[in-house]
Amino acid sequence: NAGVTQTPKFRVLKTGQSMTLLCAQDMNHEYMYWYRQDPGMGLRLIHYSVGEGTTAKGEVPDGYNVSRLKKQNFLLGLESAAPSQTSVYFCASSPREDTQYFGPGTRLTVL
Amino acid sequence: SQELEQSPQSLIVQEGKNLTINCTSSKTLYGLYWYKQKYGEGLIFLMMLQKGGEEKSHEKITAKLDEKKQQSSLHITASQPSHAGIYLCGADSGPDSWGKFQFGAGTQVVVTP
Repeated sequence: NAGVTQTPKFRVLKTGQSMTLLCAQDMNHEYMYWYRQDPGMGLRLIHYSVGEGTTAKGEVPDGYNVSRLKKQNFLLGLESAAPSQTSVYFCASSPREDTQYFGPGTRLTVL
Repeated sequence: SQELEQSPQSLIVQEGKNLTINCTSSKTLYGLYWYKQKYGEGLIFLMMLQKGGEEKSHEKITAKLDEKKQQSSLHITASQPSHAGIYLCGADSGPDSWGKFQFGAGTQVVVTP
């Protein structure tokens, strides 16, 4: 099993550009999550999903959109990137109300 | 919303010494998770605590959840260089919003020779 994978690993964007981060899991988990991690602020939940076709807002959802069309994939979109979105993005998945398994992260820089 | 406060923010410990990290919640915890992160990498699950007074150990790491389920501690005995990293506590928001997870800011641990 690959576990949780994230694509891409690194990306540099210019302000105003759009992009999509892909998260895939092969563990048949119900729940999936997108976090951003910034120095001194820990992990903050952006959006999460408790099942295929459902998504919900986390702590810092503004400027991001997500979709969960397939159970194994959770996409995070930035429609118009801003320098404040420079961060390391982590995806995670879990069975219901159980421990989360994390991907390796995506480093995004917005110039 | 639930707030998780970790202390200390960072600590330096000499190899062989013990250390303790605390995680305090503003609300009752339904499940408290401890993770470890090495710089630039994803999080690795350590332990999960659910019951008041629960204590779990794995190798030299012990985690406890207090009876009121609002505070947890992570204790490392006889620290080694492999224990260096960032330790984060995390918790689910509970039955009103399963899945809405929250983390503390993390504690950076440095182990010196």
